[in-house]
Amino acid sequence: QSALTQPASVSGSPGQSITISCTGTSTDVGLYNYVSWYQQYPGKGPKLILSDVNERPSGVFSRFSGSKSGNTASLTISGLQADDEADYYCCSYTISDSWVFGGGTKVTV
Amino acid sequence: EVQLVQSGAEMKKPGDSLRISCKTSGSSFTNYWIGWVRQRPGEGLEWMGLIHQSDFDVRYSPPFQGQVTISVDKSKNTSYLQWSSLQASDTAVYYCARQYNYKAEPWGQGTLVTVST
Repeated sequence: QSALTQPASVSGSPGQSITISCTGTSTDVGLYNYVSWYQQYPGKGPKLILSDVNERPSGVFSRFSGSKSGNTASLTISGLQADDEADYYCCSYTISDSWVFGGGTKVTV
Repeated sequence: EVQLVQSGAEMKKPGDSLRISCKTSGSSFTNYWIGWVRQRPGEGLEWMGLIHQSDFDVRYSPPFQGQVTISVDKSKNTSYLQWSSLQASDTAVYYCARQYNYKAEPWGQGTLVTVST
């Protein structure tokens, strides 16, 4: 199972919107709406910010939103803030009854 | 509130065996899975496998099948990740996370495993 493809880095200015893509295949992202996104600060553990493509857990800001088209899922961060500077990983359930992560995207504000 | 607390950092030599743990607290409900994730220094997250806390069903990601063993002690609400013979390439931070409804939440704080001569 190959890792999902994410851009290595994305940058934006405070207040702007950025989008991180996550490209898989017809056996993972394209097959299920079970894409989740995780935020990770340096030296810290990952934190769930979106599940089922676009469901936000309690406590996650509405500035984070998700979408999916075909084999590509996307995470959009609106109104970018300095605190959003972190690594972001997508993850998808697969046809093999397993999970696969993306390579991660470093967001710079 | 469910919390996952992992065992402390380990420093081992190549060929050593090791078992690290992940204890769940804050919930008596055990109908969920605990997943394990590797993060090598400076690299991304890799899903290793998961185990069901009640029926002990285990699934492994193909690259990790046969390389590690995932187990659970239901009476202790604790999951384990075990190696029989460590290699330098096993140096990483290992995270556990509760996996349910196709998402992973919450996560443990991570266990750093360093394998070096």
